[in-house]
Amino acid sequence: AQSVTQLGSHVSVSEGALVLLRCNYSSSVPPYLFWYVQYPNQGLQLLLKYTTGATLVKGINGFEAEFKKSETSFHLTKPSAHMSDAAEYFCAVSLNEKLTFGTGTRLTIIP
Amino acid sequence: GAVVSQHPSRVICKSGTSVKIECRSLDFQATTMFWYRQFPKQSLMLMATSNEGSKATYEQGVEKDKFLINHASLTLSTLTVTSAHPEDSSFYICSARDAAASNTGELFFGEGSRLTVL
Repeated sequence: AQSVTQLGSHVSVSEGALVLLRCNYSSSVPPYLFWYVQYPNQGLQLLLKYTTGATLVKGINGFEAEFKKSETSFHLTKPSAHMSDAAEYFCAVSLNEKLTFGTGTRLTIIP
Repeated sequence: GAVVSQHPSRVICKSGTSVKIECRSLDFQATTMFWYRQFPKQSLMLMATSNEGSKATYEQGVEKDKFLINHASLTLSTLTVTSAHPEDSSFYICSARDAAASNTGELFFGEGSRLTVL
């Protein structure tokens, strides 16, 4: 069985500062990993995904994440936060066609 | 990119009535769709897996007679909340997998449907 842990249910950063959202997973085999973003009263939008190949994955809106097998991590980063980045972010792991989500991290951007 | 549409986006109903939510894949075929429920400020909870042409597979603790799922075509799955009660009020989200794409596990999500039962 796989599981996902997102450290920090709330993260606040100043506009222009580095964004770091943490995600650790557990899986018996190498998983596929995803980051999704959810804006209020909306569904989920894929930010980026790791399946195979390059461990540093670039996504939309300037976000990127690095798959580190030795640390079982897939942290999400963005060099410079923008006000429009304020949202809920979910890390997810896929195994056997099922997505398992983390509990989410609410990102607040301070003007 | 692949688009999944849910309808209605918001619905308010009286206790005891039934509500149907539709999930459509607009530009791809989806042999498998998933229904999630999301409580305020919480993560998504998988309710059931909807398979085209066969019965849905429900997660443990989800009442199949309460939440009826039909996946009659490759582009449409419906969730019917029967005899709704206030505790059924929630945000329901569907997702779909592109049957023609390689199986990376990526899902495309609908916009969600907020159900309020009075």
